[in-house]
Amino acid sequence: QKEVEQNSGPLSVPEGAIASLNCTYSDRGSQSFFWYRQYSGKSPELIMSIYSNGDKEDGRFTAQLNKASQYVSLLIRDSQPSDSATYLCAVNFGNQFYFGTGTSLTVIP
Amino acid sequence: EAQVTQNPRYLITVTGKKLTVTCSQNMNHEYMSWYRQDPGLGLRQIYYSMNVEVTDKGDVPEGYKVSRKEKRNFPLILESPSPNQTSLYFCASSFGGELFFGEGSRLTVL
Repeated sequence: QKEVEQNSGPLSVPEGAIASLNCTYSDRGSQSFFWYRQYSGKSPELIMSIYSNGDKEDGRFTAQLNKASQYVSLLIRDSQPSDSATYLCAVNFGNQFYFGTGTSLTVIP
Repeated sequence: EAQVTQNPRYLITVTGKKLTVTCSQNMNHEYMSWYRQDPGLGLRQIYYSMNVEVTDKGDVPEGYKVSRKEKRNFPLILESPSPNQTSLYFCASSFGGELFFGEGSRLTVL
């Protein structure tokens, strides 16, 4: 059974701070890694994808991947109240996708 | 507009009454998949399809069937629903590994 683990939170940060979200995965053969944001009552939407070790930046978001440690993280800089949502870590292995249970983030104005 | 459309969005049914949740995408994606989302368990893959007439089981396929007769459509079939299939269901299509989700279908089985 392939597992993706996330701290469920809730994580609260003040507006303007950096939010740090973490994810570990069990299978070293995992190929692709994704972060999705899900607002309450809505469907998940892709924020970031990362395929190789290191950092990938997109605006206020930075994804970090360390395959040796089987660890993926998402940093949100200058957090905004609109970033308040549940963040899902997803891992692709072969033709299947495995999701963590999500981390709930609240950004306090 | 690029989208994945699911129907119905909400459904209450009774144990044993066959139902189908439809899923259609207009992005010409080859890969489509179904997920259920339950509190504390996250999103779990039910079935996926790499292309027309090619389907395979995900992590939780028991009690579900799918078909892929056309590229754009991937219906989820519950032949004899049971209360443990009460859940929020998402269909998704994929390009390059990135999933595009439908709006979800909330199913309650009494």
